[in-house]
Amino acid sequence: NAGVTQTPKFQVLKTGQSMTLQCAQDMNHNSMYWYRQDPGMGLRLIYYSASEGTTDKGEVPNGYNVSRLNKREFSLRLESAAPSQTSVYFCASQGQVLPIETQYFGPGTRLLVL
Amino acid sequence: AQTVTQSQPEMSVQEAETVTLSCTYDTSESDYYLFWYKQPPSRQMILVIRQEAYKQQNATENRFSVNFQKAAKSFSLKISDSQLGDAAMYFCAYRDGNAGGTSYGKLTFGQGTILTVHP
Repeated sequence: NAGVTQTPKFQVLKTGQSMTLQCAQDMNHNSMYWYRQDPGMGLRLIYYSASEGTTDKGEVPNGYNVSRLNKREFSLRLESAAPSQTSVYFCASQGQVLPIETQYFGPGTRLLVL
Repeated sequence: AQTVTQSQPEMSVQEAETVTLSCTYDTSESDYYLFWYKQPPSRQMILVIRQEAYKQQNATENRFSVNFQKAAKSFSLKISDSQLGDAAMYFCAYRDGNAGGTSYGKLTFGQGTILTVHP
């Protein structure tokens, strides 16, 4: 049981390049999330998918797009990378187990945009 | 919008001693959940403890306990018998309890507190 996996672990991009960050979970969770973590700040929500087939904007969606490919996979795409998108990106998933629903995080992807 | 504030950027503790990390939050909701996550140098986010707002009893998990003061909107984490492995960044997080609303499942994080444990 791998939990939440993310690829790649580290990536360097030049300004204007595009790339897709991949996330997969094997816990049969309905909801998935993408966060970014900048130095000195907590995680901020970029996009989320409450269930398969739906996606919604979070706190900082500009410059990103997402795809909920199926129940397991939720990808984050940067169409034209900018230095301001240098950050660590975390994917998380959440099930329906009561009495409280907990988010489980992947190991993160460190992205450097030059 | 909900906000979470951690006013201590850094804290330190001697091994085997007790330390308390502070967290305050702002919300107009009455039903919500609060969490403490630990992020070691590996960057993995690890859930430490969670609290349902409707429960008066403070949550405990082994050496970790919380002091939840709903009226004061305060949610502090106490680590007893601190160990070297407790050294990490600690994040306080908030989530609305309204599963059917637009804020379903979304976490709002504080800025984090770096905890150093001295041998």
